[in-house]
Amino acid sequence: LAKTTQPISMDSYEGQEVNITCSHNNIATNDYITWYQQFPSQGPRFIIQGYKTKVKNEVASLFIPADRKSSTLSLPRVSLSDTAVYYCLVVWVGLTGGGNKLTFGTGTQLKVEL
Amino acid sequence: EAQVTQNPRYLITVTGKKLTVTCSQNMNHEYMSWYRQDPGLGLRQIYYSMNVEVTDKGDVPEGYKVSRKEKRNFPLILESPSPNQTSLYFCASSLQLNTGELFFGEGSRLTVL
Repeated sequence: LAKTTQPISMDSYEGQEVNITCSHNNIATNDYITWYQQFPSQGPRFIIQGYKTKVKNEVASLFIPADRKSSTLSLPRVSLSDTAVYYCLVVWVGLTGGGNKLTFGTGTQLKVEL
Repeated sequence: EAQVTQNPRYLITVTGKKLTVTCSQNMNHEYMSWYRQDPGLGLRQIYYSMNVEVTDKGDVPEGYKVSRKEKRNFPLILESPSPNQTSLYFCASSLQLNTGELFFGEGSRLTVL
């Protein structure tokens, strides 16, 4: 199973748009892509999910190219409170018995400054 | 309120003293899972359960046991804890796994001396 790959860290300023890309070269046909946000000492929180093309909600947008080997989380006009670790998650359907392993990337530490 | 509850939130113990971290969800989710989080290593899956009486190993199962006798509960058991199991542990549950929408607990910080 291929791991997901994300940048370790990113810096931004308040009001800017931030794009975080995740690489998942071996994504399978039935797999979904999901992004999570995590603050220190808290459990990760679901942000957005998608299968292909573009998905948008009130918090973020998710862009997935046709080959689905990568995805980009876009956070519009970030604020200080968006400082957190962002995880890309690809849900791998199990090879046997219908089991499901969930592989998280190592996450991207986003730091937003004034 | 829909939630995943873990207990204890903080625990300091000694090597070899058996302990259990409980996890309970009130959303009637079929899928539950345990993760550990260590600096620089992200979230690593320990065990998961697709339904009652169905459990399977994740990426780092050594030194851990789980059970799923009821849908709502998924305890993590450390039969003989060792210092390398000092970590932050998260329990998570999901209704529809294929969309990857996991609900996480607040975490249990375990220190093994």
